[in-house]
Formats: sequence, C-alpha cells, structure tokens
Amino acid sequence: EVQLLESGGKLVQPGGSLRLSCAASGFTFSSYGLSWVRQAPGKGLEWVSGISGGGGRTDYADSVKGRFTISRDNSKNTLYLQMNSLRVDDTAVYYCAKGPGYAVSHLENWGQGILVTVSS
Amino acid sequence: DIQMTQSPSTLSASVGDRVTITCRASQNIGSWLAWYQQKPGKAPKLLIYKASSLESGVPSRFRGSGSGTEFALTISSLQPDDFATYYCQQYDSYSFGPGTKVDIK
Repeated sequence: EVQLLESGGKLVQPGGSLRLSCAASGFTFSSYGLSWVRQAPGKGLEWVSGISGGGGRTDYADSVKGRFTISRDNSKNTLYLQMNSLRVDDTAVYYCAKGPGYAVSHLENWGQGILVTVSS
Repeated sequence: DIQMTQSPSTLSASVGDRVTITCRASQNIGSWLAWYQQKPGKAPKLLIYKASSLESGVPSRFRGSGSGTEFALTISSLQPDDFATYYCQQYDSYSFGPGTKVDIK
C-alpha cells in the first residue's frame, strides 16, 4: 500500500525558512515523479512543485520560483521542500503526492497534508 | 501559463440527479487533464486521468470527456457520498481549476 507522510510543518515568521519532508513507502520510490500541492485555508488547490523519479527534472509554480526548492533522497525514500523567504500567503496545508510514472504527471496518491503557518 | 476555469462554482443537486461540471483550459492541452474529488479536511482523491480514463476503484457513475480546451466531468446518478468539491488539473504545466462544490439541494 502506498503511504506518504508529511512532516516539518509549523508556525514561522515572515521571511523565515522551513523544510518539509515526505516519507514514502509501499512503492519503488526512485521510479516515480512526485509533487507538492498546497491549499490555503478555505481556498482551492495550488500545484507548487514537482520532481522526476531520478531528481533530474524539477518544475515550480511561478508563485514560489526562486524561493522554494524541491529535492529527493532516493536512498531514504524521502521527498523534501525547502521553503525560503516565506510570506503570509504561503500559509497552507501542504500535500505531497505521487504520480503514475517517472515524470511529473497527474496525482494518484496523496499524503494527509501538513499545515504551514506564516505569521508574525 | 495555462489558466483553468470551472463552471459552475457551486452546484446544488439531489440524490439521483445527473450532474455535469465543465473545465476549460486557456490553451490546447490535448487530453492531459485529471479530475479530483475532495471532502472537507481530507486529501484529494483522483477520479479521472487523461481526460476520460477512470481511476481504479472509482465507481463507473463518474465519466470524463473532452479534449483540447473543453472538458467535462459527469456523475450519472448522484449518490450521498458524492457531495464534495471537484477540481480539474491540467498536467502540461500542472495548474488546477478553482473547484466546483456540489452540495445538497
């Protein structure tokens, strides 16, 4: 069974940094593209970033480009999202999600989400 | 960037109704479109991918159609478990539509 478990969410001040982790199990981690998707309170879904199975290709939404960095450690079956220069409008539940193949694509499996709050 | 729109934003319906949600892309995305269902406090669930392919385990009352810039999700006979918010997502550059909430009439 595919399992994705996010961690690292907390309250952080504007301008601060935070690293989210997503521990994966139940599939051959290095064979699948992964994404981060966020949802601000009471709002819709926003795709944030994606990474291919080997980590060689990464993509970002314009709203986070230059501030967020996605990475993965295939030896640890873990996905990361390094978030710098955080803004109040980055406040959201962050989900990690797995696609059906090596490239970033639609999202078959989702974690339960982790809350990041950016506030002074 | 590809912009996605959905209509309606809210839909009130009864159990047994046939329901259709539309999704439009600002440029041609072929069939690179997925539909998700989300219930309050829960992660989204994949329903349809590649515009019309039903995800394993999803009831056959859900049907996706369309290509290019115009897409639709149809629920043939609405069940109590289907009251939720539905999102389309194009996976050319991955943006989501704003969502359609299906609530009880």
